[in-house]
Amino acid sequence: QVQLQQSGPGLVEPSQTLSLTCDISGDSVSSKSAAWNWIRQSPSGGLEWLGRTYYRSRLYNDYGDSVKSRITINPDTSRNQFSLQLNSVTPEDTAIYYCAREITAIGSLDYWGQGTLVTVSS
Amino acid sequence: QSVLTQPPSASGTPGQRVTISCSGSSSNIGNNFVYWYQQLPGTAPKPLIYRNNQRPSGVPDRFSGSKSGTSASLAISGLRSEDEADYYCAVWDDSLSSRVFGGGTKLTVL
Repeated sequence: QVQLQQSGPGLVEPSQTLSLTCDISGDSVSSKSAAWNWIRQSPSGGLEWLGRTYYRSRLYNDYGDSVKSRITINPDTSRNQFSLQLNSVTPEDTAIYYCAREITAIGSLDYWGQGTLVTVSS
Repeated sequence: QSVLTQPPSASGTPGQRVTISCSGSSSNIGNNFVYWYQQLPGTAPKPLIYRNNQRPSGVPDRFSGSKSGTSASLAISGLRSEDEADYYCAVWDDSLSSRVFGGGTKLTVL
């Protein structure tokens, strides 16, 4: 059974960097059949895909347009986890952040983390 | 403003059949598979339909998905009180090179 456990601060000051980690059990971040995603949900409720990281012949990353200039998603094979860094945050980045696994042959986000509410405020 | 358009709300009485639409374009729904997610209050989204009309194991056959052109639909038959949730469609958008979600539909069981 795959489990994703998120960790990271719930409060970030404006202009600082939001950092979250997703620990994986029951699968591997270096799996050639999976991709590891970050999604967020604003207070108004909408879901926004932020990006993903995955290994095939090499490491790949895809990022959403709205955050492309500020985001980094990195896998850590030694700890079997992946991370999200979002730079220069503003109050508009306040949201519940989720990590999720994607089996790329199917395309579905089948396992999700528990979600982390991150508030951007001074 | 979402690339995919869903009605903000839908409702039905127990036992009824309801449908939720998801409208897109040729760069997303028209050219790629559609996925549906169910989000119960206070929980993470859960996969409901993948590749337009496939159900993951454990999802009741009361839930079905379809796609035609640049639109897709989720149908729920034999509506039950536990179906009250938010429903989101999702698809890969070739123009944006990213996954996009619909704005979500809040389903109320009257």
